[in-house]
Amino acid sequence: KQEVTQIPAALSVPEGENLVLNCSFTDSAIYNLQWFRQDPGKGLTSLLLIQSSQREQTSGRLNASLDKSSGRSTLYIAASQPGDSATYLCAAMDSSYKLIFGSGTRLLVRP
Amino acid sequence: NAGVTQTPKFQVLKTGQSMTLQCAQDMNHEYMSWYRQDPGMGLRLIHYSVGAGITDQGEVPNGYNVSRSTTEDFPLRLLSAAPSQTSVYFCASSSPTSGGSTGELFFGEGSRLTVL
Repeated sequence: KQEVTQIPAALSVPEGENLVLNCSFTDSAIYNLQWFRQDPGKGLTSLLLIQSSQREQTSGRLNASLDKSSGRSTLYIAASQPGDSATYLCAAMDSSYKLIFGSGTRLLVRP
Repeated sequence: NAGVTQTPKFQVLKTGQSMTLQCAQDMNHEYMSWYRQDPGMGLRLIHYSVGAGITDQGEVPNGYNVSRSTTEDFPLRLLSAAPSQTSVYFCASSSPTSGGSTGELFFGEGSRLTVL
């Protein structure tokens, strides 16, 4: 059974800092891994999608990497801004199309 | 482009009542799924579908039914609501890729359900 873990559960950083959010998964037989952002009371917005054959994806100040052999993915946020404050969730899709989420990292970027 | 539309946005039920949460997407996506999110937790998969006429169970399927008669719609039914089903429910959809995987997942705004 796939299990997805995100560390840390919460993170507070000053504006401008570069930061890394971690995601680990127990079953490496995945189709893809996705990172999402969720603002309070809102739905989820897809940030980056990494297919199993890929090692990383980049979008603006965001970079996500995938290492299937170690069961890890990281989301790197460069030059953080207060507008980046949100909960970030990762999710792994297994070969039966089940998408399993981690419990998220709550990020606060202080002005 | 409406994307993924969920209705209702809010609902209060009494224990034992039944209801259907509606989910519709206009992107011709084959993959659709339902999740519940409880306070302080991530999302848990309830049911999912890889195409019309095909449904499968996720992590927490008990107490919920789904059907997929069209590509556009994927309703979630609660047959006899229980207080443990108080939660925020999200529907999501995606298109398949040539390699058998799925693409970016698009989410609805959520349906907040309270069972008294």
